[in-house]
This record gives sequence, structure tokens and C-alpha cells, in this order.
Amino acid sequence: GQQVMQIPQYQHVQEGEDFTTYCNSSTTLSNIQWYKQRPGGHPVFLIQLVKSGEVKKQKRLTFQFGEAKKNSSLHITATQTTDVGTYFCGDNQGGKLIFGQGTELSVKP
Amino acid sequence: GAVVSQHPSRVICKSGTSVKIECRSLDFQATTMFWYRQFPKQSLMLMATSNEGSKATYEQGVEKDKFLINHASLTLSTLTVTSAHPEDSSFYICSASWRGANYEQYFGPGTRLTVT
Repeated sequence: GQQVMQIPQYQHVQEGEDFTTYCNSSTTLSNIQWYKQRPGGHPVFLIQLVKSGEVKKQKRLTFQFGEAKKNSSLHITATQTTDVGTYFCGDNQGGKLIFGQGTELSVKP
Repeated sequence: GAVVSQHPSRVICKSGTSVKIECRSLDFQATTMFWYRQFPKQSLMLMATSNEGSKATYEQGVEKDKFLINHASLTLSTLTVTSAHPEDSSFYICSASWRGANYEQYFGPGTRLTVT
């Protein structure tokens, strides 16, 4: 079945630094959804990208969908301690989500 | 936003016993519910997809006789881990969606199962 690869697995940053996580697939992705899971918590929906080349912003978060719909990225500008958690991308295949491995972000104050 | 609850939040059971986990959508009708399993520091692995009133669709490698799923109503799905063994210990999370939500999934808080 289709696999969704996500890198890096871990990212440690100083507060105020930027952070980016990447999601890649060898086949065309359907729709990409991004979720955030705080330590000990459950995934919370952030956004869905549908169109090729789409870019969406939520305050300090920027989400991109590649032109070929084979990759996506989440970029956080000027990280804060509240950004700590694991960020997952998921390929939405007709309602069924195939998740990437996740990127765990830690932020040092 | 939509709220999904899970019960129990934590359960410890002895090897060989069965455990039932409930997943409820509290303020919406979920046409589809999903069950995931998550090991520490790992991603969510989809176990099965269940639509109200029909049999669940299991992912490859997931034993349907081991993990019984019932989706009896638009607000309730249950996962029963039968004859549990220590290797079944994990974090089980359900999610729910409805077509009007553009397939956005709302996750429950999860159930930590420990089999001794």
C-alpha cells in the first residue's frame, strides 16, 4: 500500500527558531491533512490541503502542497514553547487517513 | 468543534481476558469511525474503518477475530480486544468523521491498555 514518509523524526530548536517538517510519497497524494499531538494527548486537526501547489497559513504556521502532489510541508516561524508536540501528516484517501511517522518537536526556552 | 469521547481512558487486564473500548461522538453523528493503534513514540496505525450499520473494514495484518468492532449507531463504536495478550498493550485511539466535514477526523482522547 501507499506509504507516507515524514522527516525529520525529531527536531530540537531554541525558542524563536523556525521549524519545518516534510511529508513525501512516491505516489500522488490525494489530500493532505496535518495534525498536532501534544505529549500525552490525542491528534488535533490543523488543516487540509487539496489543490496542487496550495499554500495555507495559520498565524505562524505555513502549510504547502507540492505541485506534483507528492510532498507537503509544515513550517513554523519563530517557535514558541506551546508549539511542542508531534506533527503528523496524513494522506486522506477517501476518508481513510494514512499517517506519516510524525515529527516530534521540542522547544528549548 | 466536534467532541469524541473514549471510555475507559486506562485499563489493566489479565492475559486471556477481553476488553471493550467505547468511542462516542458527543455532538454530531459520525457516519464513519476509525480505530488506530499507537505505540510509544510512533505514528498512528490504522486498524479498521467502520461505517454505521455495516461490517468494519480491517487493514492488512489486523486480525478481525482478535479486534472485534461494532458500530451500532451513528454515535457509538466499540472495539473489543479478545483474549488479550501482553503484546496487545498499546494506546488505542478512535476517530470519527462525517462527510460534511470534508473528511476531517475528530480524535478521541485514547485508551491506554496494559495486559499483564
